[in-house]
Formats: sequence, C-alpha cells, structure tokens
Amino acid sequence: KAGVTQTPRYLIKTRGQQVTLSCSPISGHRSVSWYQQTPGQGLQFLFEYFSETQRNKGNFPGRFSGRQFSNSRSEMNVSTLELGDSALYLCASSPGQGAPIYGYTFGSGTRLTVV
Amino acid sequence: TQLLEQSPQFLSIQEGENLTVYCNSSSVFSSLQWYRQEPGEGPVLLVTVVTGGEVKKLKRLTFQFGDARKDSSLHITAAQPGDTGLYLCAGETGANNLFFGTGTRLTVIP
Repeated sequence: KAGVTQTPRYLIKTRGQQVTLSCSPISGHRSVSWYQQTPGQGLQFLFEYFSETQRNKGNFPGRFSGRQFSNSRSEMNVSTLELGDSALYLCASSPGQGAPIYGYTFGSGTRLTVV
Repeated sequence: TQLLEQSPQFLSIQEGENLTVYCNSSSVFSSLQWYRQEPGEGPVLLVTVVTGGEVKKLKRLTFQFGDARKDSSLHITAAQPGDTGLYLCAGETGANNLFFGTGTRLTVIP
C-alpha cells in the first residue's frame, strides 16, 4: 500500500512569507501528526489531527496552524516565516484508535529553507 | 515536559562490533518506540515496547524496556554498514503524541 506522501519535498521561502505543506496519510489511517526537526532541537511535536479535529497541540506559536480534510489529508501552514523556521517538517500517519502502540509511519518530509 | 535523553550522542564503530544505545527519562511512558532515520528521509519504526521489562529481538537488534517504563536500550550485535543512521527513541503517554529522544548518530565503518 502507498506510504505517507508529503509535498513539496523542498521549499525555499523569504522571511515574512507564508507557506502551506501537504500530507496524505496511509489509506485508512485517520490520524495525522506533524513534527519539526532541526539539528539543535531534534524532533518536536507540532499538532495531531484525527477525523478533522485537532486532538493535541505542541508548544509552538500561533503562526503554526493545521487542518485535516474529510479524506484524512492534512495541511500545515506557517505564516510570517522567520529564519528559525527552517527545518525538516515531518508528517506521521497512524490508525489513530486508542494509544498509537502500532507506531507511526512517517513521510519523507518537506525541507523548508527560509532566507 | 517529557525529556528523553539518549546516549551516546555519536557513535563510530568498526563493522562486526557490538554496541548499546540508551534512552533515559524521568517520565513514565505507556509505550516506547525506536526509529531509525537516514539522511533525507523520515524516521522508520523498528519496534514498539509496551510492558515494563519487555525484551524484543529483531534479528541482530535487541530492545529492552525498563521495569519502571522510564528507560530503554537498543543493543546491536555484529554491526554492519547498513546499520548506519540516526537512532531515535520516542515515548508515548497516551495523549496521541510522541516525545522524541535527542538521537544517537551511528556510523559503522566497513
């Protein structure tokens, strides 16, 4: 079955702009989580969506937002980009029912560079 | 904030050697997962451990979950160049998100 698809793979944006990243989870998976990965901070949780509802949110400013559609595809948006937002943004898919002891399936990520 | 400390941070060994990576926290987790990440890709799940004291073996990899469910270890026997990558532990608290460890970057030299 198809894996988790993230688009685009690479993105270069200018400070102050906004950006939208997309994630298509594994078919049948209803939970999508977003993570930011940087060399200094490692992998940090942004938010998680299940059946179009945000169930959990990490400690990021309001410039970071997301949504999930009825087909479970998810988007995240970052407004007023800052240089520190340069990172690999990873999307993770899971069935979403109960505790995710099945593990997450990650996409290959979107590498965002803010200049 | 749940914090997962991994050690060592970097590890460079010769092919055929054994190694152990540690993942420690002061928090209790309902499950703990280990992932391996290669450059330019997302993390790939290796194993999930759920029960305190649980030991799981995956070919040359052995994973153990601490009795108190606060720590875990990954032992690799006879390391191969294909084992090279970033190893990440991640704790799950039942709140639908994972707390990732600081990572161990392993290089296996042929």
